[in-house]
Formats: sequence, structure tokens, C-alpha cells
Amino acid sequence: AQSVTQLDSQVPVFEEAPVELRCNYSSSVSVYLFWYVQYPNQGLQLLLKYLSGSTLVKGINGFEAEFNKSQTSFHLRKPSVHISDTAEYFCAVSPTGGGNKLTFGTGTQLKVEL
Amino acid sequence: GAVVSQHPSWVICKSGTSVKIECRSLDFQATTMFWYRQFPKQSLMLMATSNEGSKATYEQGVEKDKFLINHASLTLSTLTVTSAHPEDSSFYICSASVGSNSYNEQFFGPGTRLTVL
Repeated sequence: AQSVTQLDSQVPVFEEAPVELRCNYSSSVSVYLFWYVQYPNQGLQLLLKYLSGSTLVKGINGFEAEFNKSQTSFHLRKPSVHISDTAEYFCAVSPTGGGNKLTFGTGTQLKVEL
Repeated sequence: GAVVSQHPSWVICKSGTSVKIECRSLDFQATTMFWYRQFPKQSLMLMATSNEGSKATYEQGVEKDKFLINHASLTLSTLTVTSAHPEDSSFYICSASVGSNSYNEQFFGPGTRLTVL
């Protein structure tokens, strides 16, 4: 079984400041890792994913994440946020060995302020 | 591309009635569809996985007789909440993928907000 922990339920940040959203996971098997964004009253949109290869993954809207196997982390970063980045962000994992069922974290509400 | 729609976007019903939610993949054929439930300020909880033409696989703790899932075609899956009660009020989200390998991306619908009075 897998579990995902997003310790920060809310992260307030000023516009143009950098931000890091933390994600840690636990799994007895190898996993793929994902970050999704959810805008109010909308479904989830994939920001980026790590399947293999370089541990630094770049996604849409200027976001990137780094997979750290030893720390079982997949933190999401953006060097300069915009008001439009205000949304809920979910980290998720799925086992590499079969099936594409996703296990989600509890989400982090990013609030960008002027 | 890869658009998934849900209908209705919101629904209010009386306790004891049944409600059907549709999930459609608009521009691709989805061999696998997933149904999630999301409580306020909480994560998405997978309810069931359905493959076209076969019975859905429900997660532990999800009542299959209460949450009926039908995946009749490669572009349509339905979730019927039978004899709905106020505790069934939630945000229901579906997703669809081409294939069920772990690297197959899930594309999410916009969700349906169900309120049971």
C-alpha cells in the first residue's frame, strides 16, 4: 500500500515570491509520482510527473519538482508565483508494477497575495 | 485533447431518491475510468475502477449496491447513487485513461457536486 503526506494544508505567499510545496510518500514498492492542480469547482489538471530518468522534472506553468528517493520526497517548486497560481495542489503516487490507480495526498492550498 | 466531461455539474436531491452522474471522454476512447469522492478540504478517495464491458472493481469500504457503476462504452461511464442520504453529499470526480498501465495518465472531469437534503 502507498500513502502520501502533504504536511502543509495552506501556504500563503506573496506574488513573485518563490514557493515550495512539500510532498512525502511511503511505499513498499517503486512508484511513479505526480502533481496535480485543482482550481475552484474544477477537476484536476496534471502539472508534472516523474516516471524515470532525471530526478528534476519540469511541468507546466513554470513548476518543477525533484524526486528524492532517499528522502521519499517529491517537493514542488516555482521560482516566482503569480496570482493565477492560487489553487489546491495534490501530490499523488501510483505503483510502477501494475495498474494506474492513484493515491493522493490531502492537498495544499496555495494562496498568492499581492 | 483528452477532455473529460461530467453531467450534471451539480445536483440537489431528496433523501431516498437515486441520482445518476455521467462521465464522458469527449475526444478519446477510455478503456479505464475511475470514480473518486472528495470531501471538503480533503483529498480524493478512489471509490472504484471500471473497465469497458466488465464489472467495476470497488475499493474496500465502498458499498457496491449503493454506488452502482456502469461502463457501457469506451466513452461513457455512469455512477448511480441509490437511495441517497445526506451523508452521501460530496463532490464526485471521474477520470479516464487509455489503458491501465501505471504510466497511463488519468484525465479528470470537472466534478459533480451532490447535495442530498
